[in-house]
Amino acid sequence: QVQLVQSGAEVKKPGAPVKVSCKASGYTSTRYYTHWVRQAPGQGLEWMGIINPSGGSTSYSQKLQDRVIMTRDTSTSTVYMELSSLRSEDTAVYYCVSGIGGRFEYWGQGTLITVSS
Amino acid sequence: QAVVTQEPSLTVSPGGTVTLTCGSSTGAVTGGQYPYWFQQKPGQAPRTLIYDTSNKHSWTPARFSGSLLGGKAALTLSGARPEDEAEYYCLLSYSGARVFGGGTKLTVL
Repeated sequence: QVQLVQSGAEVKKPGAPVKVSCKASGYTSTRYYTHWVRQAPGQGLEWMGIINPSGGSTSYSQKLQDRVIMTRDTSTSTVYMELSSLRSEDTAVYYCVSGIGGRFEYWGQGTLITVSS
Repeated sequence: QAVVTQEPSLTVSPGGTVTLTCGSSTGAVTGGQYPYWFQQKPGQAPRTLIYDTSNKHSWTPARFSGSLLGGKAALTLSGARPEDEAEYYCLLSYSGARVFGGGTKLTVL
């Protein structure tokens, strides 16, 4: 049974960074790439980027590439997404999504990040 | 960045058939863009229904099918049920970058 468990909701001030974790169980992590997707309140889905756990190579959306960093810790099967210089429009639910070879297969439960002064 | 377009809303009668489409601003959608379809109900995380144009996961109800139709990716729901009322998103790949469509709100009424 594959499960992705994300860290809890956070409230951040504008300009601060946030780091969200996504811990996988039920599979060998190096075969499963992880995407990050976000959804602003009442809005659609936005792809943020992908990380290959084997080697840690990444690919980010053009829109966010200057502010997002995705990393992994293979010893704990955990992937991290850090977003810097937060602004109000970054308020959203952030999802990790994993699958073999980069497929969108298993979704985390989502993490609400609220950016507010 | 490419823009992926979906119908904002559609309505289907219970037991009826409806087709949702997914177009690309760059031209005809191809299998090489690995079209995906996701279903999202209010307050829930999305779930993946279709990958690589027409492949289903073990949890995908048989009444859902994916295809390429008239230069677009398509999701067909045959025999709609009340529980299929949801937002549906498609996703296309552009040389590694992924782009979601704006979503289709499907009403079963």
